[in-house]
Amino acid sequence: DAGVTQSPTHLIKTRGQQVTLRCSPKSGHDTVSWYQQALGQGPQFIFQYYEEEERQRGNFPDRFSGHQFPNYSSELNVNALLLGDSALYLCASRPGTGVIRTQYFGPGTRLLVL
Amino acid sequence: QQQVKQSPQSLIVQKGGISIINCAYENTAFDYFPWYQQFPGKGPALLIAIRPDVSEKKEGRFTISFNKSAKQFSLHIMDSQPGDSATYFCAASLEHRDDKIIFGKGTRLHILP
Repeated sequence: DAGVTQSPTHLIKTRGQQVTLRCSPKSGHDTVSWYQQALGQGPQFIFQYYEEEERQRGNFPDRFSGHQFPNYSSELNVNALLLGDSALYLCASRPGTGVIRTQYFGPGTRLLVL
Repeated sequence: QQQVKQSPQSLIVQKGGISIINCAYENTAFDYFPWYQQFPGKGPALLIAIRPDVSEKKEGRFTISFNKSAKQFSLHIMDSQPGDSATYFCAASLEHRDDKIIFGKGTRLHILP
């Protein structure tokens, strides 16, 4: 059973560019959350998707947007990249219903903005 | 505003010793307190978690102690092994409301062989 997968693993962009990161949730999971982890810091919640809609959002600007597809996979888009957007971007998935709501994290996409 | 404060930032322990990491939270509405372990190049993995109606939870060598009145909780790793060397994050969430996880800044643990 594959866990949470993310692509690409690494990415280098320049300031002002746009980037799209992808996530496939663990089998049987329909809720996907995205987190940003700056170097030496804990992950910070960006937003969560369920039933193809953004359900919650953290304290991130509108440059950060996302999408969830009917197969539950998700994309994170960041426009007008800033140097400060350099970070590890983590995707986490969990079942949308049921008692067990443990979130499983993928390995992340490391984004470097030059 | 940092809602979960974690200490120490880094920790070195001899093999076989006890590793202790402490966390404090501010929001009394938090109802779920997980600990995550992260190895280099990997995403965080759930290690152990506790809810505020319990004062202690033990799973193998890992124990969470929870003090609701002090709004503090800690992770104890007994008989620490070199393979435990990783970054540990305490966290909190309002699981029954919105379940976004609020992480501490992490503790880099190194176990000396």
